[in-house]
Amino acid sequence: TQLLEQSPQFLSIQEGENLTVYCNSSSVFSSLQWYRQEPGEGPVLLVTVVTGGEVKKLKRLTFQFGDARKDSSLHITAAQPGDTGLYLCAGGRAGTALIFGKGTTLSVSS
Amino acid sequence: NAGVTQTPKFRILKIGQSMTLQCTQDMNHNYMYWYRQDPGMGLKLIYYSVGAGITDKGEVPNGYNVSRSTTEDFPLRLELAAPSQTSVYFCASRREQPQHFGDGTRLSIL
Repeated sequence: TQLLEQSPQFLSIQEGENLTVYCNSSSVFSSLQWYRQEPGEGPVLLVTVVTGGEVKKLKRLTFQFGDARKDSSLHITAAQPGDTGLYLCAGGRAGTALIFGKGTTLSVSS
Repeated sequence: NAGVTQTPKFRILKIGQSMTLQCTQDMNHNYMYWYRQDPGMGLKLIYYSVGAGITDKGEVPNGYNVSRSTTEDFPLRLELAAPSQTSVYFCASRREQPQHFGDGTRLSIL
């Protein structure tokens, strides 16, 4: 059973398009983290959200934590080829290790 | 800054051989983790440690062993390599959040 479902699994878009990646669960998390991973490297943290309804912006990236703290979304505005990579969401609960989703592979072509 | 260092970066093993994947961190983090990442499957937790001398099983511990004799080092041992253990292995560490990942060890069992 996958506790965190990410969708879509793959996304291929043109430069300048907008996109949204979703991370859903039936379980409540105390925090939700988004990582980006490039080929041959480990995941790198983009953002952590901890409050239900919280919205964080990181340049062209907007992260939202659902009101019930069960889901999250990542929205990218005007995607660029440099945004290409694997995006992972990870849910955290006190006293336990992070639970990772399967990831969304994003390809942005110029 | 070294961060989390994993060695080797690549390795090919024959079925039945054994090896140790090394992980060391220089950030004085108490938590350390081993994950495996298979295509389309996200990150699965193998073992983790909350401090020197303490280890615990994660989601997929079978076929692996770990030790944590020092704060800095958290080696992962494969005793009898099997083709199912072909994967990319990531070590991570943290004090609070976020987790810091190494660049991974790509392991093939033939």
